[in-house]
Amino acid sequence: EPEVTQTPSHQVTQMGQEVILRCVPISNHLYFYWYRQILGQKVEFLVSFYNNEISEKSEIFDDQFSVERPDGSNFTLKIRSTKLEDSAMYFCASSEGQGYDQPQHFGDGTRLSIL
Amino acid sequence: ELKVEQNPLFLSMQEGKNYTIYCNYSTTSDRLYWYRQDPGKSLESLFVLLSNGAVKQEGRLMASLDTKARLSTLHITAAVHDLSATYFCAVAKGASGTYKYIFGTGTRLKVLA
Repeated sequence: EPEVTQTPSHQVTQMGQEVILRCVPISNHLYFYWYRQILGQKVEFLVSFYNNEISEKSEIFDDQFSVERPDGSNFTLKIRSTKLEDSAMYFCASSEGQGYDQPQHFGDGTRLSIL
Repeated sequence: ELKVEQNPLFLSMQEGKNYTIYCNYSTTSDRLYWYRQDPGKSLESLFVLLSNGAVKQEGRLMASLDTKARLSTLHITAAVHDLSATYFCAVAKGASGTYKYIFGTGTRLKVLA
């Protein structure tokens, strides 16, 4: 079964450094998302992306965050200058078409640890 | 602001018992999803509920949706240890194809042998 893949599985970064989290969505999916989950808490929406532009972003997704689809397969989340509070599990998700009868498919996540 | 609440937050139950997890949400929506998460793992889709009165069943799990009451339930029948996980409901919000999910607080289920 097709799946969303994320790399790396774990990223350790010094505070203030830039980090790029990578995702390969399911190949025929057109809608892409990033969510994060702070340890022990619920999953929070960060941003949605369609047709090479951001559709919606949450208040968490400030100027330090950016997303990009640099080629036909990858979807990246960049944090420009990381803070301690950015430590979390980051999930990429994708969905197909405009219908909502298909759920969003989530990757295994990248655990980001900021030191 | 759409809020999604689940209860209970923690549930410890004996194998063979039945129980229900509740998911309440604050604004109108007819799109609700249930996910399972094992520790350190991703979110696995369990059910998609798209209309009032929708009921879906898979094995020992059954989910339902009452849009008028803004309530979804996840019922566990004759629990087994393998069902131990955290269960999240999520309500879809948005338009024009990109639907962000607002997740509930999660219910951590532990089934005791």
